[in-house]
Amino acid sequence: RKEVEQDPGPFNVPEGATVAFNCTYSNSASQSFFWYRQDCRKEPKLLMSVYSSGNEDGRFTAQLNRASQYISLLIRDSKLSDSATYLCVVNMKGGGGSNYKLTFGKGTLLTVNP
Amino acid sequence: ETGVTQSPTHLIKTRGQQVTLRCSSQSGHNTVSWYQQALGQGPQFIFQYYREEENGRGNFPPRFSGLQFPNYSSELNVNALELDDSALYLCASSPTVTAGGYTFGSGTRLTVV
Repeated sequence: RKEVEQDPGPFNVPEGATVAFNCTYSNSASQSFFWYRQDCRKEPKLLMSVYSSGNEDGRFTAQLNRASQYISLLIRDSKLSDSATYLCVVNMKGGGGSNYKLTFGKGTLLTVNP
Repeated sequence: ETGVTQSPTHLIKTRGQQVTLRCSSQSGHNTVSWYQQALGQGPQFIFQYYREEENGRGNFPPRFSGLQFPNYSSELNVNALELDDSALYLCASSPTVTAGGYTFGSGTRLTVV
């Protein structure tokens, strides 16, 4: 089982649609959770951290369920500029040391159409 | 505040050669990690440095090695390059080793021919 798994996508949606991204992780000792956004041929950029209480930033809502080891991202009223690859990222112990490392899902490509 | 900068931006090397990639971490960040991103994949963790010591390593062979300097900048060295090493190499820095929320550089795109 992969450490972090995401919906394979791709997602193609019209402007104004609501889009949901889902992600599961395998390491129950994982400490922190993020959604990153990556535009074509660019570096990943932090979109938002994810907390157990759920958090919202404008049109974006992230949820974490530690019991189910499940993370989600909801984008409401999608814009053309939301088109990008969305990466689920978990900060988990491992990597041959006692410390944490970022583990990425494969990413889900979103295209918002006019 | 200066972000994470990487050099060079693009590089073409021949199979069997060696390469050194460089990264300057964001001001105030003492943790640097390196990732390899192949086309269509998520970034894969190579290793991480905290205060000049390697403190975590992913599933990469020993020909991938690194350094972190007192100013927290870092290098990634790859020996005996293989065609499959062609990828985007990303450096990321964080204020602490457990903080997460890393800031990424724009990457070095390495092509091995």
